[in-house]
Amino acid sequence: EVQLVESGGGLVQPGGSLRLSCAGSGLSFRDHWMHWVRQAPGKGLVWVSYINSDGTTTRYADSVKGRFTVSIDNAKNTLYLQMNSLRAEDTAVYYCSRAADSGPFAVWGQGTVVTVSS
Amino acid sequence: DIVMTQSPDSLAVSLGERATINCKSSQSVLYSSNNKNYLAWYQQKPGQPPKLLIYWASTRESGVSDRLSGSGSGTDFTLTISSLQAEDVALYYCQQYYSTPRTFGQGTKVEIK
Repeated sequence: EVQLVESGGGLVQPGGSLRLSCAGSGLSFRDHWMHWVRQAPGKGLVWVSYINSDGTTTRYADSVKGRFTVSIDNAKNTLYLQMNSLRAEDTAVYYCSRAADSGPFAVWGQGTVVTVSS
Repeated sequence: DIVMTQSPDSLAVSLGERATINCKSSQSVLYSSNNKNYLAWYQQKPGQPPKLLIYWASTRESGVSDRLSGSGSGTDFTLTISSLQAEDVALYYCQQYYSTPRTFGQGTKVEIK
């Protein structure tokens, strides 16, 4: 079965850090772009970051630039999102998604919940 | 950034009737070199991740009902559900993948009248 499984979410205080993981099974990250998308409670979908399959190209939304870092381990078929200096407005469900090159987001994980609160 | 604007924000349609959702981009998402519109539609049900329905504006993803169809080009796009069924109740989002940042519309909630 093709699936992406996120983990690493939780409750963290403002200014804290979390590292999210996205493990792929039944699929490969090679020749695909991997994305992180978040959804605040009751709100819409917001793209956060992407990385290409060999990790040489990364992009970030302005709202997370300088605080979040995306990385990939193809040997482990795992995507990561290191989140530092977390703010209340980073509270959301974080989804990882796989896209064929620069294409649409065809495969999605179930999401992991990040709550930033004191 | 390309701004995606959907209309309406919500609509209620009787079972078996047609539902139409519009999506407008602030600039063209048609790539002239391959004549493809970099526009996708997703469906999201409560507590679930989004599901890809349509890409390249009009290509149906494998397994998606043929009651759903996408049309449009350039800056104006439409998702049509030809005969609404109970399982179509959901939020629908358009998205452009023409440029970074990838951007989504605000979503359209489809309900049964």
